[in-house]
Amino acid sequence: EAQVTQNPRYLITVTGKKLTVTCSQNMNHEYMSWYRQDPGLGLRQIYYSMNVEVTDKGDVPEGYKVSRKEKRNFPLILESPSPNQTSLYFCASRDSGGAPDTQYFGPGTRLTVL
Amino acid sequence: GESVGLHLPTLSVQEGDNSIINCAYSNSASDYFIWYKQESGKGPQFIIDIRSNMDKRQGQRVTVLLNKTVKHLSLQIAATQPGDSAVYFCAETRGGNQFYFGTGTSLTVIP
Repeated sequence: EAQVTQNPRYLITVTGKKLTVTCSQNMNHEYMSWYRQDPGLGLRQIYYSMNVEVTDKGDVPEGYKVSRKEKRNFPLILESPSPNQTSLYFCASRDSGGAPDTQYFGPGTRLTVL
Repeated sequence: GESVGLHLPTLSVQEGDNSIINCAYSNSASDYFIWYKQESGKGPQFIIDIRSNMDKRQGQRVTVLLNKTVKHLSLQIAATQPGDSAVYFCAETRGGNQFYFGTGTSLTVIP
């Protein structure tokens, strides 16, 4: 089954404790992206990657890091999480060569930073 | 940042009626627009898209209209069903790498 998976689905942590949210897709997509979703603000793009070793900032990259060492994986790293990073996070991927802007989203990771 | 907004945060319709969800965007350079549906506890799901060189596009029970003159996008759902209850987001992209989403409209279908 074609899908985007994220782990963990739920995470409660404390300020300053480094964490990584993993994202993996099995569709051989070149493009992957991370979003955060907050009430009243919709989805905002954090980072995106057009291919392996190619990443770029989205609208709200501050406080986040990403890496793209393999095509299928695109982890989101919070080096020193803060309470304002409490949010619902979505990873997405799409095929750059196909229907241009059809993104497939993962199920989401709900992060709480105390 | 980009501004992609929605006229109404909530919409209630009777089952079988047509639904219209609206979206306004601010950047006239936007060249591609997408509607997503998000059900509770799930990630957004693609519904339909439209390029800026089109005015209308139809899918199965859904139609997207684009009015570039007033920078307005709408999603029409025909014969709305209970399974259509969800939050609907419009999104824009220029070039397919950076995406800007609206804040969403919550659609409730009344049986």
